[in-house]
Amino acid sequence: GAVVSQHPSRVICKSGTSVKIECRSLDFQATTMFWYRQFPKQSLMLMATSNEGSKATYEQGVEKDKFLINHASLTLSTLTVTSAHPEDSSFYICSATTTGLLTDTQYFGPGTRLTVL
Amino acid sequence: GQNIDQPTEMTATEGAIVQINCTYQTSGFNGLFWYQQHAGEAPTFLSYNVLDGLEEKGRFSSFLSRSKGYSYLLLKELQMKDSASYLCAVRTSGGYNKLIFGAGTRLAVHP
Repeated sequence: GAVVSQHPSRVICKSGTSVKIECRSLDFQATTMFWYRQFPKQSLMLMATSNEGSKATYEQGVEKDKFLINHASLTLSTLTVTSAHPEDSSFYICSATTTGLLTDTQYFGPGTRLTVL
Repeated sequence: GQNIDQPTEMTATEGAIVQINCTYQTSGFNGLFWYQQHAGEAPTFLSYNVLDGLEEKGRFSSFLSRSKGYSYLLLKELQMKDSASYLCAVRTSGGYNKLIFGAGTRLAVHP
């Protein structure tokens, strides 16, 4: 159990366009989902925390108007990178957790590699 | 502030034992996690400690001392496939159970 999927796994886009990344919990209901960004050889940096039906909480330094997060259901959260630029190229990873799971472990999706040309 | 330290790189020999240390200073503590991450992949959960002591799970063990702000991950009978990054993460207290990650330790296992 506790499988999290992400789509797409890889995306290449032109500078100035917007990209949407989906994160789904496949076999459990995720009350909370997290979005991380990871640059090469660096650790995961939390971008925002989202709860179903409410606005996301962004970490300091993360532009909420640039990284739009929607958590419309207990199994789906989306991250939209608006007006993407080359510096947004990174590995974006989501995770999900629910109080119903033992130890409230965060289970991670497989990640989305974004390349902005 | 939040600070989690772990060595950047380690090397070890196949069949040996390796210990990866992690020290932390965080505003609030609600458990410590270890994750394994292969290059280009998402992290996979290895272990969780919230009380002091040792948690053993097969070839992997994790230890926590809350008073010292210290944890280690012990890997026994190393295999080549254990070559990966190992991430130490602290769950802070308060709402939403946020995880703060260390920079990760890249472990290279050689024959």
